[in-house]
Amino acid sequence: NAGVTQTPKFQVLKTGQSMTLQCAQDMNHEYMSWYRQDPGMGLRLIHYSVGAGITDQGEVPNGYNVSRSTTEDFPLRLLSAAPSQTSVYFCASSRRTGGYEQYFGPGTRLTVT
Amino acid sequence: RKEVEQDPGPFNVPEGATVAFNCTYSNSASQSFFWYRQDCRKEPKLLMSVYSSGNEDGRFTAQLNRASQYISLLIRDSKLSDSATYLCVVNAARGTGTASKLTFGTGTRLQVTL
Repeated sequence: NAGVTQTPKFQVLKTGQSMTLQCAQDMNHEYMSWYRQDPGMGLRLIHYSVGAGITDQGEVPNGYNVSRSTTEDFPLRLLSAAPSQTSVYFCASSRRTGGYEQYFGPGTRLTVT
Repeated sequence: RKEVEQDPGPFNVPEGATVAFNCTYSNSASQSFFWYRQDCRKEPKLLMSVYSSGNEDGRFTAQLNRASQYISLLIRDSKLSDSATYLCVVNAARGTGTASKLTFGTGTRLQVTL
């Protein structure tokens, strides 16, 4: 099992550009989520999904879109990149929400100039 | 007040020492509690869940105090390989019918030295 995979590992964007961060899991987990991690802020939930076709906003959703067309994939789209979106992005999955272990991908380090 | 608060450290301890971290949470309705470990520039990984009665996994002991709304992590006989950031994670359930979410603390950094 590969677990949770994320691509790319690193990305540099110019302000205003758009891009998609890819996330896939092969554990047949229902729940997937995207976090961003900034110094001194902890991980903050951007969007999450409780199953294919179902998504919802987390704590910091502005500037990001998600979709969940399959159980395996949960891409995160940056619509118009801003320097404030410079961060490390982690995708995670778990069997269910709440009291279940979350498995994280290796992260994407994004810099917006 | 932050939902989950941790002392950022760093805690610098010699190998073999015992070290303890606390974490406080603000939502008294929180249901589940965890400690995650994050190595530098890596993803977080579950270290252990925290049960109401307290639980132990080798050199690691986790405790929950619901009355005072804090959880703790005790590491005995520290190893160099324990050097990492330890994240306190709380399931801040929002009520019936809504998806609960995990809230992460900012982490406590531990550096174990020779």
